[in-house]
Amino acid sequence: GENVEQHPSTLSVQEGDSAVIKCTYSDSASNYFPWYKQELGKGPQLIIDIRSNVGEKKDQRIAVTLNKTAKHFSLHITETQPEDSAVYFCAAPVGYSTLTFGKGTMLLVSP
Amino acid sequence: DGGITQSPKYLFRKEGQNVTLSCEQNLNHDAMYWYRQDPGQGLRLIYYSQIVNDFQKGDIAEGYSVSREKKESFPLTVTSAQKNPTAFYLCASSFGTGTEAFFGQGTRLTVV
Repeated sequence: GENVEQHPSTLSVQEGDSAVIKCTYSDSASNYFPWYKQELGKGPQLIIDIRSNVGEKKDQRIAVTLNKTAKHFSLHITETQPEDSAVYFCAAPVGYSTLTFGKGTMLLVSP
Repeated sequence: DGGITQSPKYLFRKEGQNVTLSCEQNLNHDAMYWYRQDPGQGLRLIYYSQIVNDFQKGDIAEGYSVSREKKESFPLTVTSAQKNPTAFYLCASSFGTGTEAFFGQGTRLTVV
């Protein structure tokens, strides 16, 4: 099955700095890589996803890059704001039915 | 509004009791999922269902049971066989693999 490793487990940055979270996956057949943001006491919400036919995707201050050869993908947040503070999860498909999630990164943005 | 609803938000259970967590969606999604979240463990899959009247075990199914009698509903029962049931439980739904999964707001279960 799919194995997803996520680093770092915690990340502290100053407001305005950039933040990068990295994930690696094991199944070379995987072709869909979402990122979720979870605020305290709430369910995760999709913030961006990428498919294997592209190498990078941007949405305002958020971008995701994918390197299929190395089997890793990364989340980039620029100009971080205190409201970006949350837990972020990457995920990759398991076969044709479910997603495997990384263990999460707690991002803390200090004013 | 379309969405996925979990209830209750907080649930307390005495040891030895079964409890059922509700999950309802009106997004017309075929697939539904139950995850368990513990601190530092990420999201671990308990059960999933890709179609009505069919479901499969995930990575940590022992001590749990589900049913999928209606497309909109996927209740999870935490049985007395689950030795460490205190956790945050998340339900999700999607059109299938490769599509966005929508999560409910979660149910926090505490054994007292």
